Amino acid sequence: DTAVSQTPKYLVTQMGNDKSIKCEQNLGHDTMYWYKQDSKKFLKIMFSYNNKELIINETVPNRFSPKSPDKAHLNLHINSLELGDSAVYFCASSLLGEQYFGPGTRLTVT
Amino acid sequence: SQQGEEDPQALSIQEGENATMNCSYKTSINNLQWYRQNSGRGLVHLILIRSNEREKHSGRLRVTLDTSKKSSSLLITASRAADTASYFCATDEHNAGNMLTFGGGTRLMVKP
Repeated sequence: DTAVSQTPKYLVTQMGNDKSIKCEQNLGHDTMYWYKQDSKKFLKIMFSYNNKELIINETVPNRFSPKSPDKAHLNLHINSLELGDSAVYFCASSLLGEQYFGPGTRLTVT
Repeated sequence: SQQGEEDPQALSIQEGENATMNCSYKTSINNLQWYRQNSGRGLVHLILIRSNEREKHSGRLRVTLDTSKKSSSLLITASRAADTASYFCATDEHNAGNMLTFGGGTRLMVKP
């Protein structure tokens, strides 16, 4: 059974478009996250969401917004996509510290 | 800048040898975690060591934590070709809302 799933796995789009990445976890975890991994493999936290409390990494542009329809889902919306947004985006969830990661979504902005 | 800095950035060893990776960080932490990432895949949690712990073992993995030096090490003993992956340390900082800060990772290659 998949613990943390993301869709789509690959996303290719043009600059200026708006796109969403979906994330679902079936672990019953309280906290979900979004990370961005760049081409040099640096992994940066973007958001943490716990029981309607959103913690935002201050370096994340406001074009990025997480939306949680329920406890098991945390979707990532990106407006006005830029070339620099190209990266792999990982969703994760946690309960007591250790985090469980999804397989990633490779976003390519052309 | 990266909270966790890892050393070395890349490591190549023969199967059967031990691999040691180091991680340094800058602020006070609740715990430090190590993750593994195979190429093109998500991260997998390996081990968590709390700030009041000094050493932890899990199978062929041994993690140490020195809070006075703000450093940690991950030792993989008797390495196997299947251990080839990138290894990341991540710190759970005080007052960070459970958000982890990752290091740049060590790319380990184990040659058969």
